[in-house]
Amino acid sequence: GQNIDQPTEMTATEGAIVQINCTYQTSGFNGLFWYQQHAGEAPTFLSYNVLDGLEEKGRFSSFLSRSKGYSYLLLKELQMKDSASYLCAVMDSNYQLIWGAGTKLIIKP
Amino acid sequence: IAGITQAPTSQILAAGRRMTLRCTQDMRHNAMYWYRQDLGLGLRLIHYSNTAGTTGKGEVPDGYSVSRANTDDFPLTLASAVPSQTSVYFCASSRRLVGETQYFGPGTRLLVL
Repeated sequence: GQNIDQPTEMTATEGAIVQINCTYQTSGFNGLFWYQQHAGEAPTFLSYNVLDGLEEKGRFSSFLSRSKGYSYLLLKELQMKDSASYLCAVMDSNYQLIWGAGTKLIIKP
Repeated sequence: IAGITQAPTSQILAAGRRMTLRCTQDMRHNAMYWYRQDLGLGLRLIHYSNTAGTTGKGEVPDGYSVSRANTDDFPLTLASAVPSQTSVYFCASSRRLVGETQYFGPGTRLLVL
């Protein structure tokens, strides 16, 4: 079966750095997405990785290792508004997105 | 303002009733999707459409039907609602099916009693 694993919940301090991991086992791979979802709102796109390596976008970076079936989302200089769930999703061989259950990130002052 | 709209925002529905959730996008995206999101589970794909006139089944299609008469609209119908269909439903769209970012509507919160 297809599976996306990410931690259920993480806590970090304002101003710090946090890394949210995602491991996957899917039938085929056509890219990995990270989305942010604030409570009661729709998911919004953060990043897309299809090749190995690190993609940096301001305070957010995403890393992919296809051989290890592994990705992480790195958030720097954490702000209170970063409190949200972070969803990892992999596009499989049928071009359908398989979603993880999400990591709830709690930021403390 | 470009984007995706969904209606209704929320709904309480008696079991056995028929319900259509509406989704409209004005980005001229070819692909559209319906997901459900339940606590502790990832988003699960119900149905999708690659382009107007075509639809496909996702991971959890039973009890749901869709149509895609034109590019902009992608309604989801529950023919006879059951309590297990209580969920938050998100509509999404992307330029194409392959390797493109999906943009989500605000969601419809459905409670089936």
